[in-house]
Amino acid sequence: DAKTTQPTSMDCAEGRAANLPCNHSTISGNEYVYWYRQIHSQGPQYIIHGLKNNETNEMASLIITEDRKSSTLILPHATLRDTAVYYCIVRGFLGGTSYGKLTFGQGTILTVHP
Amino acid sequence: EAGVTQFPSHSVIEKGQTVTLRCDPISGHDNLYWYRRVMGKEIKFLLHFVKESKQDESGMPNNRFLAERTGGTYSTLKVQPAELEDSGVYFCASSHSLTRRLAYNEQFFGPGTRLTVL
Repeated sequence: DAKTTQPTSMDCAEGRAANLPCNHSTISGNEYVYWYRQIHSQGPQYIIHGLKNNETNEMASLIITEDRKSSTLILPHATLRDTAVYYCIVRGFLGGTSYGKLTFGQGTILTVHP
Repeated sequence: EAGVTQFPSHSVIEKGQTVTLRCDPISGHDNLYWYRRVMGKEIKFLLHFVKESKQDESGMPNNRFLAERTGGTYSTLKVQPAELEDSGVYFCASSHSLTRRLAYNEQFFGPGTRLTVL
């Protein structure tokens, strides 16, 4: 799997948008970008994933650059409950050798302040 | 629908003892994964079952760890004998069959089992 690079930590004010960047410059054409988060004392939680188009769901938006070497996860209106470690993961699609497991990095610790 | 459940939530054992962790995946999920986070480290993949077969066990640290998934339902992870470095949080996750749309390959994680080896 391609390696990802994320900032160690970020802060965000409650109600503001949280923009979490991720660099994945070695991503290959058949690899997706996934985002998970882990709230303290819970298991990781899926947020969103994408290949090359921007994606949006009820939790977040994912913006992937045209060259696919980086992406940004956007939480449009961060709340205190969004305080968590956010993981950007590159994962092969069905048929590849890495489509099963998730390879977690250090992630970004997002702290949302009142 | 019920989520992934793990038992026990905490386990404290002495070095040399045996511990068995259990994971009940979401009903109907063929894929079951084990991960662990040891102190200060990243979450690491251990192994992946597809139904009752081991698809990928490349992350299993050594032969003290034995995972089973008889009947393709729940899974157990046995550590025998436990060592100090086995302390950490063990997560189980499950997902739909990978033959479906990739969107369904989202892995749903359980709350984890915190293992402490003294």
